[in-house]
Amino acid sequence: EIVMTQSPATLSVSPGERATLSCRASQSVNSNLAWYQQKPGQSPKLLIHSASTRATGTPTRFSGSGSGTEFTLTISSLQSEDFAVYYCQQYNYWYTFGQGTKLEIK
Amino acid sequence: QVQLVESGGDLVKPGGSLRLSCVVSGFTFSDYYLSWVRQAPGKGLEWVSYASSSGGSLQYADSVKGRFTISRDNAKRSVYLQMNSLRVEDTAIYYCARGGTNRLEYFDFWGQGALVTVSS
Repeated sequence: EIVMTQSPATLSVSPGERATLSCRASQSVNSNLAWYQQKPGQSPKLLIHSASTRATGTPTRFSGSGSGTEFTLTISSLQSEDFAVYYCQQYNYWYTFGQGTKLEIK
Repeated sequence: QVQLVESGGDLVKPGGSLRLSCVVSGFTFSDYYLSWVRQAPGKGLEWVSYASSSGGSLQYADSVKGRFTISRDNAKRSVYLQMNSLRVEDTAIYYCARGGTNRLEYFDFWGQGALVTVSS
């Protein structure tokens, strides 16, 4: 099983600032990496797929990068609606998710 | 627009059975893989099972293999998850999620989830 490790577990950032979330795979997943946003009481929402391709409707302040085993989700200027939990997921060999990063208001 | 609507969640005793349903609309159902993904209370996401577009390939996570069965009815635009021999650790919100038109793609649309509680 490919293990996905996200860091940090919790990230405190002020609105308007940049947030950088990391995701590491235990073995290469090529670019088969997605990022999801989940708000309390809601289902996950796809933000990024193929490591760096924004899903339809994803604001341009969200960007993804990386390949192989190291990936990053960057939110360039945090808006109030961006505070949520973010999950990475690999779909190169079956499917596994990271444990999530909670992005909270500082 | 694309919609996935789950139903069938309930409280069930350990060892019991339950069947979840997911009805979809807004896309050509028979073109897409469909998965079930679960989330235990306060925890992360775990893929459970998928059915290929034709239903000819059915796959399961090791944690549910031999206990859960996925099926789909393309005429009814529905996918099902039959859960037998339920355990306390199966307690979770179960989401229906659309995959791609090929094996192993990301999940671009999700339902609102169905809560399954396994408790005596």
